[in-house]
Amino acid sequence: KAGVTQTPRYLIKMRGQQVTLSCSPISGHRSVSWYQQTPGQGLQFLFEYFSETQRNKGNFPGRFSGRQFSNSRSEMNVSTLELGDSALYLCASSLGGGSVGTGELFFGEGSRLTVL
Amino acid sequence: AQKITQTQPGMFVQEKEAVTLDCTYDTSDPSYGLFWYKQPSSGEMIFLIYQGSYDQQNATEGRYSLNFQKARKSANLVISASQLGDSAMYFCAMRDGAGNTGKLIFGQGTTLQVKP
Repeated sequence: KAGVTQTPRYLIKMRGQQVTLSCSPISGHRSVSWYQQTPGQGLQFLFEYFSETQRNKGNFPGRFSGRQFSNSRSEMNVSTLELGDSALYLCASSLGGGSVGTGELFFGEGSRLTVL
Repeated sequence: AQKITQTQPGMFVQEKEAVTLDCTYDTSDPSYGLFWYKQPSSGEMIFLIYQGSYDQQNATEGRYSLNFQKARKSANLVISASQLGDSAMYFCAMRDGAGNTGKLIFGQGTTLQVKP
């Protein structure tokens, strides 16, 4: 089956602009999580959406937001971009329900954002 | 606070040899799950193996095994018969609680290079 698809794969933005990243999860997966990966901070959890509701949130400023649609596709938005927002943004999907199985996350290839 | 520590920034191993990647964790929750992911240069995170806190036996998946020592709070990954394609970044991660949420805490990672 198709994996997690993230678009765009690469993008360059200017400081102060905003950006929207998209994630299509594996069919049947109801949970979508977003992570930011930088060389300095490593992999950090941004937020998780499950059945269109934000279920968990990491320690990021309000400039980072997200949403999930009824088909489980998710978008994340970063407003007023700063140089430090340059990172690889990874989306992960999972079944997300209950405690059956490992609940492993399936990751996309990421969207690499460069802020100039 | 929950924390994952990977103390080996980089490792070398000869092809066909076994290698152990270290991971220690800290949590006060009695129910948790431990994951190992592989990240090749393409950026996608690939799930390797999972260990639940209540699992009695160490997890194994093909050439991957997890050396789970609960009292020491360690969850080392053992890769047997290393292959050139194993060269990648490896991350240990933890999920707190019994539910299958998408919130994982990641370690800083270990870069593994397999030499021919």
